[in-house]
Amino acid sequence: ETGVTQTPRHLVMGMTNKKSLKCEQHLGHNAMYWYKQSAKKPLELMFVYNFKEQTENNSVPSRFSPECPNSSHLFLHLHTLQPEDSALYLCASSQNPGTSMYEQYFGPGTRLTVT
Amino acid sequence: SQQGEEDPQALSIQEGENATMNCSYKTSKNNLQWYRQNSGRGLVHLILIRSNEREKHSGRLRVTLDTSKKSSSLLITASRAADTASYFCATGLTGGGNKLTFGTGTQLKVEL
Repeated sequence: ETGVTQTPRHLVMGMTNKKSLKCEQHLGHNAMYWYKQSAKKPLELMFVYNFKEQTENNSVPSRFSPECPNSSHLFLHLHTLQPEDSALYLCASSQNPGTSMYEQYFGPGTRLTVT
Repeated sequence: SQQGEEDPQALSIQEGENATMNCSYKTSKNNLQWYRQNSGRGLVHLILIRSNEREKHSGRLRVTLDTSKKSSSLLITASRAADTASYFCATGLTGGGNKLTFGTGTQLKVEL
């Protein structure tokens, strides 16, 4: 276990549904990340939060809405998704990067299927 | 493209052999990390090498970095079946908010 948990592990939703993905880290980190991993494509960074503040939105469509209520929790709210949004969604955390670079700790991911 | 590319895309070896994977990147990033991912799972950090380092070791892992060629290599010695996984390199910039750009990965299969 890496100290980062994600729920649910699997999710099937229709295009008109609204659902949320949850991530929790038990490592005392201050930075959290959402990534999307699609088949045969590199891991794509979606959002970055440092000390609960969003510091990166990598041109993600508005049907994905992140929320970071505190440094330990990160949510990804989903609504009116498209079939091409089906992917493995990974959450990660790290020490606040500041002026340095740190390894990221990943959760097991949520396998999302949009029907 | 800013994304890294691992070479080869797939590698199959026998247990006990060494496995070498290469990564090339196109941006002026100054830190490089290697991660492992077991099928359908999260990524596990293996090693971080900074731009002022040329080689780094961790257990059976050896990583090299050549900033002039914008390339890195990961060597796994005396491979085991449990090393079967996908391996990714990721580049980042110190002070750049820890934003990593991942490569496409090498799928390693270690057979008994």
